[in-house]
Amino acid sequence: DVKVTQSSRYLVKRTGEKVFLECVQDMDHENMFWYRQDPGLGLRLIYFSYDVKMKEKGDIPEGYSVSREKKERFSLILESASTNQTSMYLCASSMPLSRGGNQPQHFGDGTRLSIL
Amino acid sequence: KNQVEQSPQSLIILEGKNCTLQCNYTVSPFSNLRWYKQDTGRGPVSLTIMTFSENTKSNGRYTATLDADTKQSSLHITASQLSDSASYICVVRGGGSQGNLIFGKGTKLSVKP
Repeated sequence: DVKVTQSSRYLVKRTGEKVFLECVQDMDHENMFWYRQDPGLGLRLIYFSYDVKMKEKGDIPEGYSVSREKKERFSLILESASTNQTSMYLCASSMPLSRGGNQPQHFGDGTRLSIL
Repeated sequence: KNQVEQSPQSLIILEGKNCTLQCNYTVSPFSNLRWYKQDTGRGPVSLTIMTFSENTKSNGRYTATLDADTKQSSLHITASQLSDSASYICVVRGGGSQGNLIFGKGTKLSVKP
C-alpha cells in the first residue's frame, strides 16, 4: 500500500521565519505535488515535480519554493512565512501520466501550519 | 475556463438514509473523473474513477455515475453510516499530454445518528 508521510501534523511558526515542510513517499513514484487546502477554496496546487531536481509551478507558487534532491522526498519551503500562509498543506505522489493516466494521487495526512 | 463545480456545499442526513452528491464540469478535453473521500484530519483517498466510456460504477455502498454529454457526475451513497461523514471531492483530469487535474471544492457530508 502506498504511503505518503508528512513530517509534522501540526506546526506553529512566526512571521518572517523560513519554514520547511517535508514529504516522503515509499512507492517510487516519479510525480510529487504540494497543495494547500483552505475552507471554501478547496485544494490548490502550489508546486509539483516530475523527477529528481525538476520542479514546475502550480497555480499559487508565490511565496513558496520546493526542493527534490531524492526521488522519494519533496520539500516545500516558505521563504519568509506570512500570516496568509496559515493553512493545511497536503503532499501527494503518483505515477507519471505516461504510465498510468488513470492512477490516483496518493495523499499524506497533511500539515496544519499556523503562522503567528 | 476549465472548472469543476460541486453541490451542495454541505449536507446533513440521518444514519441509514441515502444521499446524492453532484459534480458538474466544463473541462475539455476530458480524460477522467475521480471521486475522493477526505475524513477530517486526513488526506483524500480515492473512491472511484470514471472514464469517458463508463456510465455507472459501484464501490460497496458508493455508486458513481457519469454523463459525458451533459458533463455531470454524481456520487450516490446508500444506507449511510456515521463513518461516511467526510468531505467528498470531485477531480477531473483534462486530456492531452499535460493531463491537468481540476479540483472541485468538495461537499461536506455529516451523517447524524
